[in-house]
Amino acid sequence: GENVEQHPSTLSVQEGDSAVIKCTYSDSASNYFPWYKQELGKRPQLIIDIRSNVGEKKDQRIAVTLNKTAKHFSLHITETQPEDSAVYFCAASPTSGTYKYIFGTGTRLKVLA
Amino acid sequence: EAQVTQNPRYLITVTGKKLTVTCSQNMNHEYMSWYRQDPGLGLRQIYYSMNVEVTDKGDVPEGYKVSRKEKRNFPLILESPSPNQTSLYFCASSLPSGRPGELFFGEGSRLTVL
Repeated sequence: GENVEQHPSTLSVQEGDSAVIKCTYSDSASNYFPWYKQELGKRPQLIIDIRSNVGEKKDQRIAVTLNKTAKHFSLHITETQPEDSAVYFCAASPTSGTYKYIFGTGTRLKVLA
Repeated sequence: EAQVTQNPRYLITVTGKKLTVTCSQNMNHEYMSWYRQDPGLGLRQIYYSMNVEVTDKGDVPEGYKVSRKEKRNFPLILESPSPNQTSLYFCASSLPSGRPGELFFGEGSRLTVL
């Protein structure tokens, strides 16, 4: 069935370094790829998203890249700060027909001060 | 304030005792859905609804029921809860406008089935 694989499951970086989280999806009909951040004990919140007609999107220190041919997309966080520590989820969803959101299993990012 | 409200936030129950987790949104969103979050498994979609009276199964619908009689409400029903339904549940809503968009999540409901 449809699935989204996310790696790594945990990631520790020094403050100021960059962090990269990668996801691979199986459903070629997927056209919408959001990233959610979940702080400890809180609800997931959207931090950035990309649609299939765009290869890259950037918002300050956060960027997402998409390679539709290879069916993978990545989250890049530059100049990491302690407040970036959280669990990050990628997801994939087709834009037509159903609105199923398939989430990855999450990456726990720890930014070490 | 725009929000998605879930109740109860915490619940401990016993096997077989029917329960309902309510979800309400005040953003006039057409799309609503339920997820369960388990360690190492991420967020898995249980059911979703495109609009009133329109519901569909997600990836893990077994043991759950939903209804969408009003646009703002999307309750999750566990007819006969079992211990494997112990989990953190999130309701979410979105305004598709013809395509998927940002999901607005509720604060979560932590359910324990003994």
